[in-house]
Amino acid sequence: KAGVTQTPRYLIKTRGQQVTLSCSPISGHRSVSWYQQTPGQGLQFLFEYFSETQRNKGNFPGRFSGRQFSNSRSEMNVSTLELGDSALYLCASSRDKEYNEQFFGPGTRLTVL
Amino acid sequence: AQTVTQSQPEMSVQEAETVTLSCTYDTSESDYYLFWYKQPPSRQMILVIRQEAYKQQNATENRFSVNFQKAAKSFSLKISDSQLGDAAMYFCAYCRLSGTYKYIFGTGTRLKVLA
Repeated sequence: KAGVTQTPRYLIKTRGQQVTLSCSPISGHRSVSWYQQTPGQGLQFLFEYFSETQRNKGNFPGRFSGRQFSNSRSEMNVSTLELGDSALYLCASSRDKEYNEQFFGPGTRLTVL
Repeated sequence: AQTVTQSQPEMSVQEAETVTLSCTYDTSESDYYLFWYKQPPSRQMILVIRQEAYKQQNATENRFSVNFQKAAKSFSLKISDSQLGDAAMYFCAYCRLSGTYKYIFGTGTRLKVLA
């Protein structure tokens, strides 16, 4: 069974631009969560989608948004990029609402110049 | 609000020795899961071990075991017979079973294994 995939793996953007990151969960997994990982802050929860609905949201500004499609693939969008948005963005999928193990993708390394 | 604290930013252990990574958490919930995740330098995060709060018995997975003290809200990870491949960032995580679904991670402990 294929694992969680994320594209692109690396991105370089400049301040003010916007970016879209993609995540394909493991087949059969309906829950997709997004995290921002930085050296100082560790992993911070962005949001979680389940069956195309945002079920939970972390404490990030409205510039961070996401969506989930009917095939469970998810996208995350960051608008008006700031230098502080430079981070590794991790996507994780899990089977359903039973709080099972999360399977993580390799991440997208975003650098904002 | 729930919090997870890992007070050891970095730890070192000699190959074949045993090391314990600490984690404390704060919650008013009675039912939840606790996890230890490993993130090797290649960045793919993988689950090491999971503990259900309602289980008194400490979870064990081969060389990895936990010391779960529910009353003290402590969840430490013991790695026995450490191997070079154990070198990684280790994250403690909490997930409650009621209400909205959200994982909370600690800030991580970097484990170095010395040959």
